[in-house]
Amino acid sequence: SQKIEQNSEALNIQEGKTATLTCNYTNYSPAYLQWYRQDPGRGPVFLLLIRENEKEKRKERLKVTFDTTLKQSLFHITASQPADSATYLCALDEGSQGNLIFGKGTKLSVKP
Amino acid sequence: GAVVSQHPSWVICKSGTSVKIECRSLDFQATTMFWYRQFPKQSLMLMATSNEGSKATYEQGVEKDKFLINHASLTLSTLTVTSAHPEDSSFYICSARESNEKLFFGSGTQLSVL
Repeated sequence: SQKIEQNSEALNIQEGKTATLTCNYTNYSPAYLQWYRQDPGRGPVFLLLIRENEKEKRKERLKVTFDTTLKQSLFHITASQPADSATYLCALDEGSQGNLIFGKGTKLSVKP
Repeated sequence: GAVVSQHPSWVICKSGTSVKIECRSLDFQATTMFWYRQFPKQSLMLMATSNEGSKATYEQGVEKDKFLINHASLTLSTLTVTSAHPEDSSFYICSARESNEKLFFGSGTQLSVL
């Protein structure tokens, strides 16, 4: 069956360090993968999209990689700040009706 | 970016009553909207796909008679939880597509059924 896994339920790092979050998937061949940020009691906010033919994409302090051979995406936040503390979700296009399938998320805590 | 407004943000109701949640795309037209449910520490689970002018498509295991979806215009979809029970208590989120790929989400509705 299709599965998306975000390996760490929680990740705690020190301010200024680089946070790396992992998203693995099985039995999918997505055309693209997306990352969202979700704060408590709020809806997810779109961060980055990376297509299957792209290896890496950057946006300010964010970097996403997409390895279709390993079926894995890595999400990096460089020079992390306490304001980056949130839950980060990866999502894949389901394909048929255009909806997204989400991972459970990784809760990132950046300590000052 | 595009804005999706969801109302109310939270609602507390008695068991057996019905609750309506609205989802509006404020600055774009959305022929398709999605309704999700999220339990604590769980991923967003797609409940149904709402299509303007036609019947919603429900995911397996979601009761269409319990979760009524109406997408009467290109900017408004509503989800009505009928005869709500405590097990329906959850965080409900809608989303809409502005382009072919990105989803924009509402702020969510926390439903608590007593």
